[in-house]
Amino acid sequence: KQEVTQIPAALSVPEGENLVLNCSFTDSAIYNLQWFRQDPGKGLTSLLLIQSSQREQTSGRLNASLDKSSGRSTLYIAASQPGDSATYLCAPYTGGFKTIFGAGTRLFVKA
Amino acid sequence: GAVVSQHPSRVICKSGTSVKIECRSLDFQATTMFWYRQFPKQSLMLMATSNEGSKATYEQGVEKDKFLINHASLTLSTLTVTSAHPEDSSFYICSAISGAQNNEQFFGPGTRLTVL
Repeated sequence: KQEVTQIPAALSVPEGENLVLNCSFTDSAIYNLQWFRQDPGKGLTSLLLIQSSQREQTSGRLNASLDKSSGRSTLYIAASQPGDSATYLCAPYTGGFKTIFGAGTRLFVKA
Repeated sequence: GAVVSQHPSRVICKSGTSVKIECRSLDFQATTMFWYRQFPKQSLMLMATSNEGSKATYEQGVEKDKFLINHASLTLSTLTVTSAHPEDSSFYICSAISGAQNNEQFFGPGTRLTVL
């Protein structure tokens, strides 16, 4: 059974800092892994999708890496802004068409 | 990216009534849709996987007779919470897989259910 752990659980940083959010998963037999953002009381917004054959994906100030064999993914946020404040969720997509979510990292970027 | 809508966005109902939530993929066909439930300050918990034209697959601990799922077409799945009780109050989110976009999963905006 896939288990997903995200560290840290919460993070508060001043604006402009570069951040690293960590995700680990127990079942490395994944098809892909997505990073999502969730604002309070809202649905999920897909940030990055990494296929199992890929090592990283970049979108603007975001970079996600994937080490499938060790069951790890990281989300790097460059030059953080107050608008980046949200909960970030890591979600590996495993066999059986299941996506299992981590508990998320709650990020607060102070102006 | 692809768009998934949910309706209604918010619903308040009396205990014992049934509530239907719709999930639509607006610009792509989704053979598979998922239903999640999220309690405050917790992560998403998968309730069931919905496949077009077949019965939904429920996760352990989710009552299939209470949470009725129908995936009538490639763009529509519905979740009906039958005989709702206050403990069913939660944020329900659906998602759909787009096979045309590398199996990327797109989420609806969620439905806030409050049972009085």
